[in-house]
Amino acid sequence: GNSVTQMEGPVTLSEEAFLTINCTYTATGYPSLFWYVQYPGEGLQLLLKATKADDKGSNKGFEATYRKETTSFHLEKGSVQVSDSAVYFCALRPPGYSSASKIIFGSGTRLSIRP
Amino acid sequence: DTEVTQTPKHLVMGMTNKKSLKCEQHMGHRAMYWYKQKAKKPPELMFVYSYEKLSINESVPSRFSPECPNSSLLNLHLHALQPEDSALYLCASSRWEMTSGDNEQFFGPGTRLTVL
Repeated sequence: GNSVTQMEGPVTLSEEAFLTINCTYTATGYPSLFWYVQYPGEGLQLLLKATKADDKGSNKGFEATYRKETTSFHLEKGSVQVSDSAVYFCALRPPGYSSASKIIFGSGTRLSIRP
Repeated sequence: DTEVTQTPKHLVMGMTNKKSLKCEQHMGHRAMYWYKQKAKKPPELMFVYSYEKLSINESVPSRFSPECPNSSLLNLHLHALQPEDSALYLCASSRWEMTSGDNEQFFGPGTRLTVL
């Protein structure tokens, strides 16, 4: 079946540190891959996405590359800020369905950035 | 307008009350969703509407009753809820096309529900 595994949190870093949050997936074919971010007390916002192998999604200094060979979509940022403190969800949408098919979410990784 | 709005922001209700959550979008999306999110967990899909018709019900108890009165509005009617139903309820919308593609879901800020 389809599933998403992301690294357990919480992750605590100092401001300006390099960030990696690992995400691997299991799916048949070529799913679409997403990173969503949830700031405290808010809903989810799409951070970035990639719809085919070797695509790189990027937004707000965050990047993730769709790696079919390692079934991974790791989130990276070169220099984190306190305002990046949030919960990050890796997610996939399976191929071969209509676009309103279910999104499969990972368990979420809580990120805290110290000033 | 790329916003999904939800009202109310917070709701406290007793187990015998009837209340409704509302969601609205003006992006022309024809798919709308209800999710339930417990603390420190990912969202769990409850219902999907496509072209104002219910297309997915994830075996949700009948005390939750969705309604899609038009293409911009989605309601969730609540009746005889249990304390374990306390959670953040998120609405989302997306385009609806028969081929998979670049159709992300846009989420609202959620309604934080407390059942006493």
